[in-house]
Amino acid sequence: SYKLTQPPSVSVSPGQTATIFCSGDNLGDKFVSWYQQKPGQSPVLVIYQDAKRPSGIPARFSGSNSGNTAPLTISGTQVLDEADYYCQAWDSSSSSVVFGGGTKLTVL
Amino acid sequence: QVQLVESGGGLVKPGGSLRLSCAASGFTVSDSYMSWIRQAPGKGLAWVSYISSRGSTIYYADSVKGRFTISRDNAKNSLYLQMNSLRVEDTAVYYCARGVLGVHYFDFWGQGTLVTVSS
Repeated sequence: SYKLTQPPSVSVSPGQTATIFCSGDNLGDKFVSWYQQKPGQSPVLVIYQDAKRPSGIPARFSGSNSGNTAPLTISGTQVLDEADYYCQAWDSSSSSVVFGGGTKLTVL
Repeated sequence: QVQLVESGGGLVKPGGSLRLSCAASGFTVSDSYMSWIRQAPGKGLAWVSYISSRGSTIYYADSVKGRFTISRDNAKNSLYLQMNSLRVEDTAVYYCARGVLGVHYFDFWGQGTLVTVSS
């Protein structure tokens, strides 16, 4: 079955740029979305179709997808961005939804 | 505004059954793909099942195939998950979510309902 791989953790200083990578075989051929989840809360969509931002998501969140890697970039990271981030794609070969294992972003 | 409210979670013994419900408002479930996604304590998100807008296409994760059944009641604008033969490893918070472009991504999620399978 298709697999998405993320680093377990990423650390960044406030105001700096954080990049979280999601990797998978030929991931660039699929649409990738990203979700932010804070403790005790439901996931929130922050990026869809590789690079689009839903209404209300700050412009400091951006994404791209090419080859085998899709990075989520948070520019000017704020303390309130500290959360778990999950990438997700739909695998057409198995008609299944796939999530990455999640990355804990620490801002300190 | 779009809202999804799950209910039906609780404590159940291994081998038991439970039915989860997801009441939708602000949109029509029969116009959207709908999905169940779960999260075991301290773990990541895991897709469980989805149903197409017409109800003609249903898929399950291998881990629940043959034990769980997804369904929808258009009159009640609600989504359901019948869970049978529950296992300890099914313990998780279960979220319902609205799919977009099929299930390419999920734009709205409920608050989740906790299912605990334990003897």
